[in-house]
Amino acid sequence: AQSVTQLDSQVPVFEEAPVELRCNYSSSVSVYLFWYVQYPNQGLQLLLKYLSGSTLVESINGFEAEFNKSQTSFHLRKPSVHISDTAEYFCASRGAGSYQLTFGKGTKLSVIP
Amino acid sequence: SQTIHQWPATLVQPVGSPLSLECTVEGTSNPNLYWYRQAAGRGLQLLFYSVGIGQISSEVPQNLSASRPQDRQFILSSKKLLLSDSGFYLCAWSRPTRIEAFFGQGTRLTVV
Repeated sequence: AQSVTQLDSQVPVFEEAPVELRCNYSSSVSVYLFWYVQYPNQGLQLLLKYLSGSTLVESINGFEAEFNKSQTSFHLRKPSVHISDTAEYFCASRGAGSYQLTFGKGTKLSVIP
Repeated sequence: SQTIHQWPATLVQPVGSPLSLECTVEGTSNPNLYWYRQAAGRGLQLLFYSVGIGQISSEVPQNLSASRPQDRQFILSSKKLLLSDSGFYLCAWSRPTRIEAFFGQGTRLTVV
């Protein structure tokens, strides 16, 4: 079975500073990886995804994640955060042929003015 | 474009009462549908998924059931709620040929 580990439950960071949210997944022959963002009392929004091809994937709001097969990681990064980035971020994986998304426990990003 | 609707947004129910949460998807046909539960500090857990009308798969034994009476409708039910059923319930959909899933706004259920 797939598993996803988000090592940090909370990450405080000052506005305009860089941030990295860490995610490690259990190894599988073929795996798809995702980052979702959740604002308070709302559903999850897909931030970015890795399906195949280029190992660096980007979102429209400045986040990027890099698929690292040797380290089984898919860390999320942003070079300069904004107040509006304050939210909870979930890393998820899906094995080939599986219907199930396996989620990490989430990382709460707090951007400090 | 596709949209997913989930209601109600919040619900407070007494222990032992029944439950019905509804989810509908618009703008697509034959979607895969999912119910997840999010408990504090525990991430999201897949409860049920469906690949077609009347086809329901359960991922974990529990006090809840799911039904799919129409192609784009997915219902989560319980005959008698338990305190442990409290949580944030999220419906999601995906295209059969695509990998990513899209989520509704969720229902905050509090069993008292």
